Amino acid sequence: DGGITQSPKYLFRKEGQNVTLSCEQNLNHDAMYWYRQDPGQGLRLIYYSQIVNDFQKGDIAEGYSVSREKKESFPLTVTSAQKNPTAFYLCASSILGPQHGYTFGSGTRLTVV
Amino acid sequence: RKEVEQDPGPFNVPEGATVAFNCTYSNSASQSFFWYRQDCRKEPKLLMSVYSSGNEDGRFTAQLNRASQYISLLIRDSKLSDSATYLCVVKDPSGTYKYIFGTGTRLKVLA
Repeated sequence: DGGITQSPKYLFRKEGQNVTLSCEQNLNHDAMYWYRQDPGQGLRLIYYSQIVNDFQKGDIAEGYSVSREKKESFPLTVTSAQKNPTAFYLCASSILGPQHGYTFGSGTRLTVV
Repeated sequence: RKEVEQDPGPFNVPEGATVAFNCTYSNSASQSFFWYRQDCRKEPKLLMSVYSSGNEDGRFTAQLNRASQYISLLIRDSKLSDSATYLCVVKDPSGTYKYIFGTGTRLKVLA
């Protein structure tokens, strides 16, 4: 079955460390996205990519980096520059078209300890 | 004004009740609209797209009012399993394939 896989499900990081969250999809979707969700708040866009080797900053890109070397993969690195990284991170993908919504991965919960 | 606004709730309704949520959007050029459902500590899942003519899927009906710039979701005969947060999503009309999420409306269906 096609889908979008995020790993790990839970991640603990020490302050000052960089961590990379994995996102892989086998839906043949062109576009991929990273969102952050904080308790009781909506989803905020970190980065998105519409094509391999190209990506754009979202609303809260500071302290994060991404790459899109393959269509299937869009890893997110949370760097030590991100001041408040504890959150629920969601990866999504979509077909490039007006009536297509997102498919989300099951998310990664990152906690800084 | 926020790009997409929703009443956060919670809406507490008894089983079997009919409940409706509205969501307003600020950009009149917006063309694509969706409702997502998110269970506690889970990822959002697409509930339904919202078409200009309105659309229905079982107990769920979605409608679009372009003149007043809002979309609505109606749930009939509420079930306990409908308890979740319902997210309104509007596609950015600028052609970037970004989607703008509302903060969600929380629904609790009570036995």
